[in-house]
Amino acid sequence: AAGVIQSPRHLIKEKRETATLKCYPIPRHDTVYWYQQGPGQDPQFLISFYEKMQSDKGSIPDRFSAQQFSDYHSELNMSSLELGDSALYFCASSLGRGQGYEQYFGPGTRLTVT
Amino acid sequence: AQKITQTQPGMFVQEKEAVTLDCTYDTSDPSYGLFWYKQPSSGEMIFLIYQGSYDQQNATEGRYSLNFQKARKSANLVISASQLGDSAMYFCAMREESLWAGNQFYFGTGTSLTVIP
Repeated sequence: AAGVIQSPRHLIKEKRETATLKCYPIPRHDTVYWYQQGPGQDPQFLISFYEKMQSDKGSIPDRFSAQQFSDYHSELNMSSLELGDSALYFCASSLGRGQGYEQYFGPGTRLTVT
Repeated sequence: AQKITQTQPGMFVQEKEAVTLDCTYDTSDPSYGLFWYKQPSSGEMIFLIYQGSYDQQNATEGRYSLNFQKARKSANLVISASQLGDSAMYFCAMREESLWAGNQFYFGTGTSLTVIP
């Protein structure tokens, strides 16, 4: 079965550079979530989209922005990168929102800022 | 306030024995789901088991079972017959599922499980 695809899997950037992470949800899934997991930490919710509209916002820095496109894929844009942005970034997708709608996680993008 | 609490940073278990990983949660939403995920060193989040707040019976999935005690707000994961491949980080997570809820996951800080041969 098709799973959530994230690209790239690994990314190395320097401070103050920009980065774009991409997420391709499971086919027919209309909801995408982004999470950030710092080294040795639990995943923290950043932002989510439902039917191409932002639905919920978590601890996403102002330097980050995200959107969901007409084909339901999503991109997380990160500017003015800081060392503290080094983390594993997960994307998850689900079909709809609310009870019973399972979130499927992608393999993650490991971002290293040097 | 922390929505998910995992009080065991690290656990050890002998191969073939059972182990219980603790998880307590805090929510005022009457409709919620509780999840356990396994995260091996490679980093991916692997779904293990789900328990809905209205489910009457404890969830089971193969060697995984969830000991759901609603009144105590606990959702402990029991792994039976531990295998070496079970060594990983385990995260308990909750999703508030009422229509007004954000549908995001709240994760605990995780428990690192090591299976000893």
